[in-house]
Amino acid sequence: GENVEQHPSTLSVQEGDSAVIKCTYSDSASNYFPWYKQELGKRPQLIIDIRSNVGEKKDQRIAVTLNKTAKHFSLHITETQPEDSAVYFCAASMGGELVFGKGTKLTVNP
Amino acid sequence: DADVTQTPRNRITKTGKRIMLECSQTKGHDRMYWYRQDPGLGLRLIYYSFDVKDINKGEISDGYSVSRQAQAKFSLSLESAIPNQTALYFCATSDLSTQYFGPGTRLTVL
Repeated sequence: GENVEQHPSTLSVQEGDSAVIKCTYSDSASNYFPWYKQELGKRPQLIIDIRSNVGEKKDQRIAVTLNKTAKHFSLHITETQPEDSAVYFCAASMGGELVFGKGTKLTVNP
Repeated sequence: DADVTQTPRNRITKTGKRIMLECSQTKGHDRMYWYRQDPGLGLRLIYYSFDVKDINKGEISDGYSVSRQAQAKFSLSLESAIPNQTALYFCATSDLSTQYFGPGTRLTVL
């Protein structure tokens, strides 16, 4: 089955810096790659997603890139703010269930 | 996201007890999921259902069972709870791709 690896497990940045979280997946048939943000004590919420027919997608300060050949995808957050502090999860899917990475705890220091 | 609700929100039980966690949704989605979340392990799929007559095991189904009573309701049961089932449990629903999570149930097994 699908296996998703996510790095780093923790990331600390200064406010205003950029943050990058990387994920790799094992099954080349996966075609949907969402990213979820989970604030402390809250539920995971979708922040951006990308499908396999697209190489990059942006939404304001966040962007996701996908390299199908290498089977990896990344989340980029620019101009980080303290409210970006949370745990971020990547996931991969072939159109059915999602397989999640283990998460990255991002801390943005003021 | 009040469209996906879970009951109870918190539960403390004893080893060997049977417990049921319930999930309801008003999104009209056919697909529903149960996950457990443990620190450092991310979100792991327990069971999922793509319609009322469909039930599938996920990555960690041992010790759990589910019932899909209607399109809007999906219940998770622990027949004989054990301490290593102490975790945060999330229900989710989806259309063909995006998953929407409930608020979670924190379960403690003593």
